[in-house]
Amino acid sequence: DAGVIQSPRHEVTEMGQEVTLRCKPISGHNSLFWYRQTMMRGLELLIYFNNNVPIDDSGMPEDRFSAKMPNASFSTLKIQPSEPRDSAVYFCASRPAGVLESEQFFGPGTRLTVL
Amino acid sequence: GENVEQHPSTLSVQEGDSAVIKCTYSDSASNYFPWYKQELGKRPQLIIDIRSNVGEKKDQRIAVTLNKTAKHFSLHITETQPEDSAVYFCAASKTGGGNKLTFGTGTQLKVEL
Repeated sequence: DAGVIQSPRHEVTEMGQEVTLRCKPISGHNSLFWYRQTMMRGLELLIYFNNNVPIDDSGMPEDRFSAKMPNASFSTLKIQPSEPRDSAVYFCASRPAGVLESEQFFGPGTRLTVL
Repeated sequence: GENVEQHPSTLSVQEGDSAVIKCTYSDSASNYFPWYKQELGKRPQLIIDIRSNVGEKKDQRIAVTLNKTAKHFSLHITETQPEDSAVYFCAASKTGGGNKLTFGTGTQLKVEL
């Protein structure tokens, strides 16, 4: 298994531009999570999906951020318009189905720089 | 919601010594406590986890203890090696909580030769 796949791995853009981050979870996993990591704020959960349905988006910083999961194998996190304070590493993680809590598998992350 | 506090933020030990990282949580319903290791520039990876029905779990040089009454859990690394140098995150979640993990703020562990 290739693990969680994220693209792009690095993104440099200018303030005001739209940014789209992509994630392919591990096949068979039914929960998907988007995290943002910065030095100041640590690892923050932005939003997560169960069976492609958004469950909790309370971590999404503001309306500039949106996330979708059109099917079980693909999710996007979009920032429009982007701002310098959005610069961070964005991780996607997935988890297999099951009643009990279990390991979340992280992707390699997307390092976003907004100039 | 859940709040997880982690201490210390940085920890420096000599190779071969033990390292202990402590976390407290606020939600008494939390029942799953994983620990993730993140090397510089890499993704977080699970190293050990514990459920609330046990008090301790070991895996070679790594152990985790859980005190449900006090709502705290700790990571113990014995015989530390340079490759243990990384940031360690504790986390907590609960069944029925939607698979949501709340992470601590991380501990930068440095193992010195």
